Amino acid sequence: DVKVTQSSRYLVKRTGEKVFLECVQDMDHENMFWYRQDPGLGLRLIYFSYDVKMKEKGDIPEGYSVSREKKERFSLILESASTNQTSMYLCASSLAWGGRNTDTQYFGPGTRLTVL
Amino acid sequence: AQTVTQSQPEMSVQEAETVTLSCTYDTSESDYYLFWYKQPPSRQMILVIRQEAYKQQNATENRFSVNFQKAAKSFSLKISDSQLGDAAMYFCAVNTGNQFYFGTGTSLTVIP
Repeated sequence: DVKVTQSSRYLVKRTGEKVFLECVQDMDHENMFWYRQDPGLGLRLIYFSYDVKMKEKGDIPEGYSVSREKKERFSLILESASTNQTSMYLCASSLAWGGRNTDTQYFGPGTRLTVL
Repeated sequence: AQTVTQSQPEMSVQEAETVTLSCTYDTSESDYYLFWYKQPPSRQMILVIRQEAYKQQNATENRFSVNFQKAAKSFSLKISDSQLGDAAMYFCAVNTGNQFYFGTGTSLTVIP
């Protein structure tokens, strides 16, 4: 079974803090994704990566950055956390086909981040 | 851009009955994949069922089946013999290449 883990289930931070959310997958997947999930808005893509050290912006990258130094690990960074970044953050991974194309995505358990 | 619409924010079903969750999408791509994901309360999002757009036959997984109408761009999920464990948020998604596009979700309540 594919296993995607996230470093924390719950996190409380203060405005202006630098926040690191980490995601690890154990299935040698090429593609990894970060989403935020908000009620009534579904899942919105923040960033994705199709290879080590490669990244692409999703629909809502502002205020976020990412790092992928190793294939199995994909980190989401909030440089200066703000209250509007309070949300559920989901990581996902997938095999790739035809280059960057993604197959079925497998999700981590999520990190519920509260910024005070 | 692709859009995915789930017009039913909430639905309920009696245990052992059948329920259908609707999903419509818009894409100009000819080749794509469709998915239903389930997110139980405070638990991980898991894949329920996957449909390849070039296949005419509707996908089935045990009590879960889809009604895929390509011309109408409709992809509904039917849950038969509903169980208490089916209570969850259900998300429809379209994959046209290197991204997934998700709907806003339908919250399903199962009534004992």
